[in-house]
Parts: sequence; C-alpha cells; structure tokens
Amino acid sequence: NAGVTQTPKFQVLKTGQSMTLQCAQDMNHNSMYWYRQDPGMGLRLIYYSASEGTTDKGEVPNGYNVSRLNKREFSLRLESAAPSQTSVYFCASSGQAWGDEQFFGPGTRLTVL
Amino acid sequence: QKEVEQNSGPLSVPEGAIASLNCTYSDRVSQSFFWYRQYSGKSPELIMSIYSNGDKEDGRFTAQLNKASQYVSLLIRDSQPSDSATYLCAVNMQAGTALIFGKGTTLSVSS
Repeated sequence: NAGVTQTPKFQVLKTGQSMTLQCAQDMNHNSMYWYRQDPGMGLRLIYYSASEGTTDKGEVPNGYNVSRLNKREFSLRLESAAPSQTSVYFCASSGQAWGDEQFFGPGTRLTVL
Repeated sequence: QKEVEQNSGPLSVPEGAIASLNCTYSDRVSQSFFWYRQYSGKSPELIMSIYSNGDKEDGRFTAQLNKASQYVSLLIRDSQPSDSATYLCAVNMQAGTALIFGKGTTLSVSS
C-alpha cells in the first residue's frame, strides 16, 4: 500500500517548456488535490477533483491544467513554464472532498530557469 | 477573507517538556480541523483531526478545539528532538469548500 505517489521527484525546466506532474493513489479515495508550497506563502490549492470526472479551480490555477485520468490518477500540466512556477508541488487525496482527512504525496521540487 | 493564523515561531522547548501550538481561524462555522507535521524537505503528514469541541488524545499528542473562541491547539507531551518540525493547522471552514492551511509553526526540541 504505497498511499500517494508522485513523479518526478525533481525537475528543472527552462522558461517556456512544458511538463506534466503525475500523481496516483491506491487508497480508493474519491477526491484528489494539487497544491504548491512556497516559502512564506504556505500551501496553496491549485486545482482539485472532488470525484472522478470532475475538476475545479483552486486559489492559484493560472498557468496550470489538470486531468483526472481515472479514480487513481490526477495529473498537473504546465503548458509554458515560468520562473514564478518554481515551487514544491504536492498531490493529496481524501475519501470525500474537504471535510475528510487529506493524505499527501512526497512532492515534486520544480525549478524553472 | 477566510484565514488560519499560526505563530511562525520558532517555538523552542527542552526535551521532555510540553510543547503547545496554537491556531486561530476566522470563520465561526468551521467544521473540520487538522494538524499536520512537516519535516524539512518532506511532505505534510497528518497527525491529528478533530471535529467537535473538547480534547482528543492520541499518544503524546492532544488536540484541543474551542469553537466559541475559534481556536484549535496541539499539545505535545514529553517532547523529543524527533518532534522538531513545522506544524501546520488546516481548517475546513464550510461544507464543500477548500481546506485552508496556516503557514505553520516551527518547533525546535533541544536535547
């Protein structure tokens, strides 16, 4: 039982490049989330998927897109990376949206040059 | 603006002491409250959840909720150097809305 897994662990991009961050959970959770964490800013929600087939914007969605591929997998795509997107990205999942406990993956440390 | 406030610290306590971490939130109708521990360079790890007024104990950890005063606290008894981390408070303020995270309190336990 791996919980929430994320790939890659580290990534360096040049401005304008694109990439997709992958997330998968094996806890049979309905809801999945993408956060970014920056020094002094705390955790901020980028996008979430309350259930398979639905996605919604969070607090800071600009510059990102998401896909809920199936119940297990939720990916985050940067179409044209910018230095402002340098951050640590965490995926999380919960049984139901919001009121339930969220469990986090190990994170992806992204640097955009 | 819905907010969750934590003292950034650092909070320094000697080994064996009680560490007390506090969190206040802005929305009186908040429903679910969580404490996460985050070691440097690692992801947040859930350590406690609390949903009703009063105390909830789990090993050395006790979460305390006071909805009337809009605060939630975490007590760590017999603090160990391995407890040194940043502790994040998260609040679900209304049904169907996002968890709001505080910026965290850094705890340092000295041996």
